[in-house]
Amino acid sequence: DTGVSQDPRHKITKRGQNVTFRCDPISEHNRLYWYRQTLGQGPEFLTYFQNEAQLEKSRLLSDRFSAERPKGSFSTLEIQRTEQGDSAMYLCASSSSRDRVQPQHFGDGTRLSIL
Amino acid sequence: AQKVTQAQTEISVVEKEDVTLDCVYETRDTTYYLFWYKQPPSGELVFLIRRNSFDEQNEISGRYSWNFQKSTSSFNFTITASQVVDSAVYFCARAVQGAQKLVFGQGTRLTINP
Repeated sequence: DTGVSQDPRHKITKRGQNVTFRCDPISEHNRLYWYRQTLGQGPEFLTYFQNEAQLEKSRLLSDRFSAERPKGSFSTLEIQRTEQGDSAMYLCASSSSRDRVQPQHFGDGTRLSIL
Repeated sequence: AQKVTQAQTEISVVEKEDVTLDCVYETRDTTYYLFWYKQPPSGELVFLIRRNSFDEQNEISGRYSWNFQKSTSSFNFTITASQVVDSAVYFCARAVQGAQKLVFGQGTRLTINP
């Protein structure tokens, strides 16, 4: 059983650069989520897809952030013109949509460090 | 915002002690879901349990047990006979029917000393 896969595990970049992260969900899951976690805090919701449709976006997701899930399978999260405050762990999760609210299963995350 | 509060930032106990992690949630909804996740040092969030608001039965899974009390808006987690491998950060979270996002508490860092 393959879990949620995220790439890369770590990303170090200079302020002002663009970065893109990839998430591959569990194959039978049609819901995909992005969260951000800073040190000592719980994860904070960023956005969520059901199949290829982006159904909810947090106010945390500024204009510099964009997420896509073009074919309803993997997803990418891009941050443009990175800032120091973007340093965090970016977590992807997936779940099925059989009914109600299903448990979300998380990947290992991508740790972003802005120099 | 409807928060989830984990008042205990850090807990440290000696192996084999029992330990309870507290979680208090806010919600105006009648249908909602509560979760516990474990985040070991490796970083991956591991799902432990989901409860819905209509099921107040306590649950036991091995050394883990959960006490859900709607009257006090609490969903506490107890580890019996703790082990060093239980050392991790534990998060409580909630979701509401019709909204998929999880709202997490700040987490409790649990250290089990040998």
